[in-house]
Amino acid sequence: KAGVTQTPRYLIKTRGQQVTLSCSPISGHRSVSWYQQTPGQGLQFLFEYFSETQRNKGNFPGRFSGRQFSNSRSEMNVSTLELGDSALYLCASSLVPSKETQYFGPGTRLLVL
Amino acid sequence: DAKTTQPPSMDCAEGRAANLPCNHSTISGNEYVYWYRQIHSQGPQYIIHGLKNNETNEMASLIITEDRKSSTLILPHATLRDTAVYYCIVRPSGSPSGGYQKVTFGIGTKLQVIP
Repeated sequence: KAGVTQTPRYLIKTRGQQVTLSCSPISGHRSVSWYQQTPGQGLQFLFEYFSETQRNKGNFPGRFSGRQFSNSRSEMNVSTLELGDSALYLCASSLVPSKETQYFGPGTRLLVL
Repeated sequence: DAKTTQPPSMDCAEGRAANLPCNHSTISGNEYVYWYRQIHSQGPQYIIHGLKNNETNEMASLIITEDRKSSTLILPHATLRDTAVYYCIVRPSGSPSGGYQKVTFGIGTKLQVIP
């Protein structure tokens, strides 16, 4: 069974631009969570989606948004990029939210110049 | 939301057992303790999880204290490939119809296995 896939793997953007990252969960998994990882802040939870609805949300500004499609694939969008948004963005999938084990993808490394 | 605290770094000799502690003193009765590790900026890898009983799998053992306020991840025979950052997290039980709940990762312990 294929693991969690994320595209693109690497991305370079400039301040003020927007970016969309994609995540395909493990087949059969319906919950997708997104995390931001930076050297200074560690791994921080962004949001979790299940059945196309946002179920859990971390403390990030409204510039960070996401959505989930009927096939459980998820996208996250960051608008008006700032230098501090440079990070590794990780996606994790699980069968259902919260209690089930999450499996992480390789991440998308975003660099904002 | 329950939080976890871990030592920032530990060393372990190759072949010896690595014991990684985690404190989660505000854990609720229906919250699970999960352990993940991350090798060189790859995606975190699931290791093990438990509620209140000790657990063991092919990778590690998890010992949870009776009051559930702390736990220890044990790698029985550490190898160089076990060098990584180990995260202890608490997962809220939450229901799909529940309100927003934060998922909190600890700072992680950087384990260095020494030859």
